[in-house]
Amino acid sequence: DTEVTQTPKHLVMGMTNKKSLKCEQHMGHRAMYWYKQKAKKPPELMFVYSYEKLSINESVPSRFSPECPNSSLLNLHLHALQPEDSALYLCASSQVGTVSEKLFFGSGTQLSVL
Amino acid sequence: RKEVEQDPGPFNVPEGATVAFNCTYSNSASQSFFWYRQDCRKEPKLLMSVYSSGNEDGRFTAQLNRASQYISLLIRDSKLSDSATYLCVVNRTGTASKLTFGTGTRLQVTL
Repeated sequence: DTEVTQTPKHLVMGMTNKKSLKCEQHMGHRAMYWYKQKAKKPPELMFVYSYEKLSINESVPSRFSPECPNSSLLNLHLHALQPEDSALYLCASSQVGTVSEKLFFGSGTQLSVL
Repeated sequence: RKEVEQDPGPFNVPEGATVAFNCTYSNSASQSFFWYRQDCRKEPKLLMSVYSSGNEDGRFTAQLNRASQYISLLIRDSKLSDSATYLCVVNRTGTASKLTFGTGTRLQVTL
């Protein structure tokens, strides 16, 4: 049972659609992340927000647009995606400033782009 | 050389067996280490942190060998429910954003 909640759990979209993925946590974590995971591969970091400010963008295409409205919420806006963007999108959160920070993942959004 | 390397498996073991996975990392400055478990199409879940002194949680034991730059996970008395992919995760700087994931080791426990 995860304390990081993601919606929707599944999403099918066309290449011209605009959709958003949502993530929420109430653990008081001040770092939030988006990861992308393809089948049989490890999670790949996309974005990191620290204290609601974007701190890392791992050269992600602009068709993915993150937003952090407050310390509990994280969104990922999707527009003009390609079929190769189909993957499991994972949100995670962690504390900031401890020696060994642990990531807590949401259950993910399985995205299919047609 | 990859930053974090794991044998992808699969490891097929009978119920009740003991199984061990190793994971090697290349950056000697790595500061913290974790094992995550991931079921098919589910999110990774933290299994345990790994400390130099070794740590145990029930049937699971994790060890860190800094000199040889590897971590290990030992599972005793394997259960069917242990079937999953085990991800080795290494943190270079103590900041979660610098976590590096291994490709995972697939474990299949059979009757």
